[in-house]
Amino acid sequence: EDKVVQSPLSLVVHEGDTVTLNCSYEVTNFRSLLWYKQEKKAPTFLFMLTSSGIEKKSGRLSSILDKKELSSILNITATQTGDSAIYLCSERTSYGKLTFGQGTILTVHP
Amino acid sequence: SQTIHQWPATLVQPVGSPLSLECTVEGTSNPNLYWYRQAAGRGLQLLFYSVGIGQISSEVPQNLSASRPQDRQFILSSKKLLLSDSGFYLCAWGQDEQFFGPGTRLTVL
Repeated sequence: EDKVVQSPLSLVVHEGDTVTLNCSYEVTNFRSLLWYKQEKKAPTFLFMLTSSGIEKKSGRLSSILDKKELSSILNITATQTGDSAIYLCSERTSYGKLTFGQGTILTVHP
Repeated sequence: SQTIHQWPATLVQPVGSPLSLECTVEGTSNPNLYWYRQAAGRGLQLLFYSVGIGQISSEVPQNLSASRPQDRQFILSSKKLLLSDSGFYLCAWGQDEQFFGPGTRLTVL
């Protein structure tokens, strides 16, 4: 069975800190890896990664995939209180099914 | 642009009562549709997915069922709710990227 593992499970930082969230996956039929941010309700899409070594960036957030290590990281620089959320990593397989990790709960204190 | 709707937003039901949650998508045709459950604010578990009208695949054995009576409508049902059915239910559409509805928070008492 495919498994997606995220670490750490929770993280508390102060505004201005830089954080790195980790995601590892075990898959025999990998298609892509996706990151989502979930605040109070529905997860919102952040990044989709399909190629190894190519960084995707959106403002202070960036992410990269390492297919050799079967892992991905999500970096957030100069964190703000609005970055507090659950960050979900998921791996896409056949039929577009997504397998999610447990999530990392990020808390940013002012 | 595409939008996805779910209702109700919250629901409190007694054990043994039936359930019907509805999801509809606008602005796209023949979407892949998905039902997920999220417990205690953690990762999402895929319950059902559908690649077309009347086509439903179940991911985990459970007390729930799903139906797709129309192209852009996906329904999650139960004949008799259990306490363990409590959770946050999310509908999603898409293939590569998936886009989520606002969710239904179900509490079974």
